[in-house]
Amino acid sequence: QVQLQESGPGLVKPSETMSLTCTVSGDSIRRGDHYWGWIRQSPGKGLEWIGYVYWTGSTSYNPSLKSRLTISVATSKNQFSLNLRSVTVADTAVYYCARGSLYFDYWGQGTLVTVSA
Amino acid sequence: DIVMTQSPDSLTVSLGERATLNCKSSQSLLYNSNNKNYLGWYQQKPGQPPKLLIYWASTRESGVPDRFSGSGSGTDFTLTISSLQAEDVAVYYCQQYYDTPHTFGRGTKLEIK
Repeated sequence: QVQLQESGPGLVKPSETMSLTCTVSGDSIRRGDHYWGWIRQSPGKGLEWIGYVYWTGSTSYNPSLKSRLTISVATSKNQFSLNLRSVTVADTAVYYCARGSLYFDYWGQGTLVTVSA
Repeated sequence: DIVMTQSPDSLTVSLGERATLNCKSSQSLLYNSNNKNYLGWYQQKPGQPPKLLIYWASTRESGVPDRFSGSGSGTDFTLTISSLQAEDVAVYYCQQYYDTPHTFGRGTKLEIK
C-alpha cells in the first residue's frame, strides 16, 4: 500500500526558509512510474498546486511561487523535499505531498505550517 | 491561469437521493489529440487529505463506489452521487490538469437533509 508522510517544522518565522520532506513507502520514486508533488491548502486560497518532481530531478513549479521554490528528490532515501524561501504569513497552510503529475491518487495526511514571528 | 468555478457552494440532500455538483472551467479542458478532458474530482472529509474519486472527467478511481459518476466535456462538468449515503458528507473539489498551474475549484460542501 502506497503511503506518503510529510515532516518538517510546524512554525517558521517570516523571511526564513520553510523545508518539508515527504517520505514514500510502498512505491519507489526511482522506478520512474510517477511524478511526486506538493499541494497546500489554506482558508484564504483553498487548494493550491505548488509543483512536482520526477526521479531525474526534473521539476514543474507554480509560477506564483517559482522565484522562491525548490523541489528536490533523494531517490536513495525514497524522499522528496520542498524548500520555500522568504516566507510570509500568506504561506501559512496545510502542506500535502502527493503522487502524480496530473491528478493525485495518493496523498499524505498533511502538515500544518504556520508562519509567525 | 484556468479558473475553476464550482456550484453550488453548499448542497443539502436527503439520504438515498441524487446529488448533482457542478464545475465550470474558464477554458476548455478537452485535449483534441487524445479526446480526453483533463479534469478530476476529489472528496475531502474533515481532518483528512483530499481523496481522488474521478479522473479524465469520468473514470472512477479504483475502490470508489459506483454511485459516484463524472460527466461533461469542454468547460462544463458534473459529479453525480446517485444515492446519497451518510458517509458521503464532505467537501468536493474539481481540479484541472490541462495546463500548469493546475488549479482547483473552491469546493461544494455536501450535507444531509
